[in-house]
Order: sequence, then C-alpha cells, then structure tokens
Amino acid sequence: AQKVTQAQTEISVVEKEDVTLDCVYETRDTTYYLFWYKQPPSGELVFLIRRNSFDEQNEISGRYSWNFQKSTSSFNFTITASQVVDSAVYFCALSEEDSSYKLIFGSGTRLLVRP
Amino acid sequence: DAGVIQSPRHEVTEMGQEVTLRCKPISGHNSLFWYRQTMMRGLELLIYFNNNVPIDDSGMPEDRFSAKMPNASFSTLKIQPSEPRDSAVYFCASSQGQGLGLNYGYTFGSGTRLTVV
Repeated sequence: AQKVTQAQTEISVVEKEDVTLDCVYETRDTTYYLFWYKQPPSGELVFLIRRNSFDEQNEISGRYSWNFQKSTSSFNFTITASQVVDSAVYFCALSEEDSSYKLIFGSGTRLLVRP
Repeated sequence: DAGVIQSPRHEVTEMGQEVTLRCKPISGHNSLFWYRQTMMRGLELLIYFNNNVPIDDSGMPEDRFSAKMPNASFSTLKIQPSEPRDSAVYFCASSQGQGLGLNYGYTFGSGTRLTVV
C-alpha cells in the first residue's frame, strides 16, 4: 500500500495565485515525522519542513504554510501569492518510528507558476 | 559548509561498463544515504550507513550494485556491470545522529544523473 500519496501530479497557476499541494499519508506508528522537499529544475532536493506526529500546530514561514491534520492523515502545503521561482516538483515524505532513518517519498507534485 | 558533494554530476556510459559514483558527506554527519530517483519508482532508499557501517542495504536492487564507506568523509556506489535500466538520478544525503534523531531532514547532494546506453 502506498504510504504517501500526492494525488496531484501537476498543478499550473498564474503568478500571485495561492496554491495548495495535498499530501495524505498512511502509517500505524504513533510516532512519525512528515517532511516536504522542493526539487527545482536544477535537480537538487531542498528540505523545507519537518513535523513530528505530536505537533499538530500549523506552521507558517513567509509565503509557505503547512496544515497538519492527524484526523485525516494529511499534511498539506500552501504557497501564498505564488511566484515563478516556486516552479518545482514538491515531495511529501514520511519517516516511521521503526525505520526512522528512511524517508518514504510521495510521487511528487509538479508546480508550474506562469507569469 | 560546502554541503553534500557528489561527483560526477553527469555520467554517460555503455552497457556492461563499471560505473562509480562518489559522495562526500557534510563534515560531522555520521549517517549517509544513497537514494535513486526514476520516473517509474520515484525516490527510493538504496542503502544507509551509520558511522561508516552499512545498516540497511535492503533497497540495493541486485548484486550488480555495491556501496562502500571507507571513512567518515567518503562513500562510493558502484554498478558493475551497468545496464540501461540503471539510468536514473542517484542522490547521496547525510545527517547527524541515528534513529529518530535523524528526523531533522537530512541534506541531499545535487545528484548524479546516470545514463547507460
């Protein structure tokens, strides 16, 4: 069973629009971590955020915000007032307690921000 | 901090040839990972080292793949013989700590794009 699902394969928005990237995860562990990574066209993987399973507080960092809801097993990522430089593939990932060194990645969502 | 350094950035080789990918982790990090990214399978963990010792190599596809970490500052991933289906981007990543202490999000290198023709 897929443990991290990013159902949106590709999203296209116009600059300055808000956009939300969805992430649904599956785990039986009570302790786990969730991550978002950004992969720009240059190819590197850039760490954006880590959230542990005991902290459901939403987080905001500039134009980025994350909504963690254990009730729906979701960890969604919103970009406010999107910019062309936000164009990238975004990956959600899960790390479970019994193999906490391993990141289980979703298939990624390609975001295209048009000028 | 130079980050995780991988070489080469691009490698094109002929089927049957040996390929060696190299990685220098961030100084002070004691955990090192090799991931592979393909269109079909996405990002998947190949092998995890902690304090230079392989802890989990269950993701290594087959005997043609081998990885070593002779010291804290260097690791190699070798494919011998290479096949076209090995074409992928190979990422190295490093982190400090083990277990849940790893979960601060490890740092990835820029990747090596391997093409086997």
